[in-house]
Amino acid sequence: NAGVTQTPKFQVLKTGQSMTLQCAQDMNHNSMYWYRQDPGMGLRLIYYSASEGTTDKGEVPNGYNVSRLNKREFSLRLESAAPSQTSVYFCASSPLGRGDEKLFFGSGTQLSVL
Amino acid sequence: GENVEQHPSTLSVQEGDSAVIKCTYSDSASNYFPWYKQELGKGPQLIIDIRSNVGEKKDQRIAVTLNKTAKHFSLHITETQPEDSAVYFCAASMHGGSQGNLIFGKGTKLSVKP
Repeated sequence: NAGVTQTPKFQVLKTGQSMTLQCAQDMNHNSMYWYRQDPGMGLRLIYYSASEGTTDKGEVPNGYNVSRLNKREFSLRLESAAPSQTSVYFCASSPLGRGDEKLFFGSGTQLSVL
Repeated sequence: GENVEQHPSTLSVQEGDSAVIKCTYSDSASNYFPWYKQELGKGPQLIIDIRSNVGEKKDQRIAVTLNKTAKHFSLHITETQPEDSAVYFCAASMHGGSQGNLIFGKGTKLSVKP
C-alpha cells in the first residue's frame, strides 16, 4: 500500500540546471498537488491538478511547470533552477479535489540549488 | 484571499502536560479547518479536522475548538507523550471550494520532554 510516492528523495543542482520531480499515487485519486515547504513559511501550493488533463497555478508558481501525465502521475519541472528554489517539495493527492477533503502527502524531496 | 496565522512557532512541554496551538484566519467564508502533523523526515498527515457547524471535536487525546465569531481555532493535546513531538500545521479552506484554496499556517514545532 504505497500511497503517494515521490522521487528522488534528495537532489543537489547547480544554478541553471533543470530537473523533474516525479510523483505517483495508487489510490485512484482525481486531484494531485505540489507544495513547497520552507523554514518558517509553512506549506505553499505551487500547482495543482483537479483532474486528469487539467492544471492550475497555486500561490507560488513562478519558475515551475507541471505535467499531469495520467491519473496516477503528476510531475514538477524546474527549467532553470535558482537558489531560491532550495526547498523541500511535497506531492499530495485527494479523492475529488474538494476543499474539505483529506490530503495524502508523499515523503518529500529535499532539493538544494547551489 | 485567506490568511492563516499560527502561534506559537515553537512549544516545549513536559511529558504529561497539555499543549495548545492557536490559529486565526481572515476569510469569514472559510468553513473547514484541518490540522496536520509532520514527523521528522515525513510528509504531513491529517490528525483531526473541524467544520464550521460544530464548535468542538475530540479524538482521544486531541481536540479542536472553533470560534467562528472571533475567527480562531485551536488544537489541544492532553497528556502529551514523546511521540507527539512533531511540527503541527493548521489550515483553512471553504467547503465546496477547491483544494487549491486550502491555506496553511506556518507551523508549530512541538517538543515533548520525557
